[in-house]
Amino acid sequence: QVHLQESGPGLVKPSGTLSLTCSVSGDSISSSNWWSWVRQTPGKGLEWIGEIYHSGSTQYNPSLYRRVTISMDKSNNQVSLRLNSVTAADTAVYFCARMTSTWYGAFDYWGQGTLVTVSS
Amino acid sequence: QSALTQTASVSGSPGQSITISCTGSKNDIGSYTYVSWYQQHPGKAPKLIIFDVTERPSGVSDRFSASKSGNTASLTISGLQAEDEADYFCASYTSRSTWVFGGGTNVTVL
Repeated sequence: QVHLQESGPGLVKPSGTLSLTCSVSGDSISSSNWWSWVRQTPGKGLEWIGEIYHSGSTQYNPSLYRRVTISMDKSNNQVSLRLNSVTAADTAVYFCARMTSTWYGAFDYWGQGTLVTVSS
Repeated sequence: QSALTQTASVSGSPGQSITISCTGSKNDIGSYTYVSWYQQHPGKAPKLIIFDVTERPSGVSDRFSASKSGNTASLTISGLQAEDEADYFCASYTSRSTWVFGGGTNVTVL
């Protein structure tokens, strides 16, 4: 069974950097899958942040691309998210999610999500 | 990129059918079959219930069905049950090689 688990600081200061890790078990991030980060502001909708392919190629939401970096650590089977220059508007629950080549277009496994609050 | 547009809330009585719409543009829903739907209960992660516009993953109830016409995708829940009370989100691939979600629809079972 595939399991994704997000981890990282729950509180980040304004203008600081948000850093999260998604630990994957039951699948290898080196397989032909895409690994995405999605966030959800309290009481609101989902926002796709970006994705990384097993090759290391990335794609980002145009509204965030200047501030975001997604990377992978194949030795630890982890995918990471860095979001720079954060503001209160970046306060959200952050999810990591998988998309496979078999079911391209479907985020079939999600982590439980982690709440990150931007506040001084 | 703009979020896909969904009705904020829909309600129905047990046993009834309801339909949720998701409107995009020619740059997303209108041009691709990579449309999916997710169910989210409070405090939980989204769960995939529809992919490729109409396909259900194994284990998802056949009470969930979906379609697409033009720039609008639709999700129908038949035989509404109390457990269907949740938020529902659509998602689509876009012409910019990115993904976009809808704002979500809250379904209430009366």
